[in-house]
Amino acid sequence: AQSVAQPEDQVNVAEGNPLTVKCTYSVSGNPYLFWYVQYPNRGLQFLLKYITGDNLVKGSYGFEAEFNKSQTSFHLKKPSALVSDSALYFCAAPNQAGTALIFGKGTTLSVSS
Amino acid sequence: NAGVTQTPKFRVLKTGQSMTLLCAQDMNHEYMYWYRQDPGMGLRLIHYSVGEGTTAKGEVPDGYNVSRLKKQNFLLGLESAAPSQTSVYFCASSYLRTTANTGELFFGEGSRLTVL
Repeated sequence: AQSVAQPEDQVNVAEGNPLTVKCTYSVSGNPYLFWYVQYPNRGLQFLLKYITGDNLVKGSYGFEAEFNKSQTSFHLKKPSALVSDSALYFCAAPNQAGTALIFGKGTTLSVSS
Repeated sequence: NAGVTQTPKFRVLKTGQSMTLLCAQDMNHEYMYWYRQDPGMGLRLIHYSVGEGTTAKGEVPDGYNVSRLKKQNFLLGLESAAPSQTSVYFCASSYLRTTANTGELFFGEGSRLTVL
């Protein structure tokens, strides 16, 4: 079965420092991977996706993600964190039938000033 | 452009009561989804629809029913609410399959349901 895992419930970083939010995956076939962000009391918003090609994917708000096939990982990164990046982040992948997304449990990112 | 709209945004029910959550999208999307979000469990798929008149079960369908009579609307029903159904419910829609042409999901703002 397809699955994604986010090993950290919470990540704390200081403003201006680089941030990494981790995701590992277990999927059959070609992996299609996504990152979404959820701000308090809001729905999820799409950040970026990996389909094929370059292993470094750039997305919204200065975020990028690195796909690593040998480590089955798709970590979300940003070179310099902002306080406004504080939110809940979800990694996602399609289900077996490719008809819906399955989500990780989420990682809370807290950026302190 | 409203996107995905969910009503109601908040509701308190007593055990055994019934209710319907309405999701409406104005983007002409084929695919619609209902997820529930619980602390520490992420988002779990309840039911989804790949087009008008179709529905399918997701990971946690028990206790819920859905209908997609019109392309723009996707209804989630609770026939006999239970405290375990206390959650935040999110509707989402997408134009294409997630594994074909990289269709992404657009989410509503959520509906917070409490069952006493």
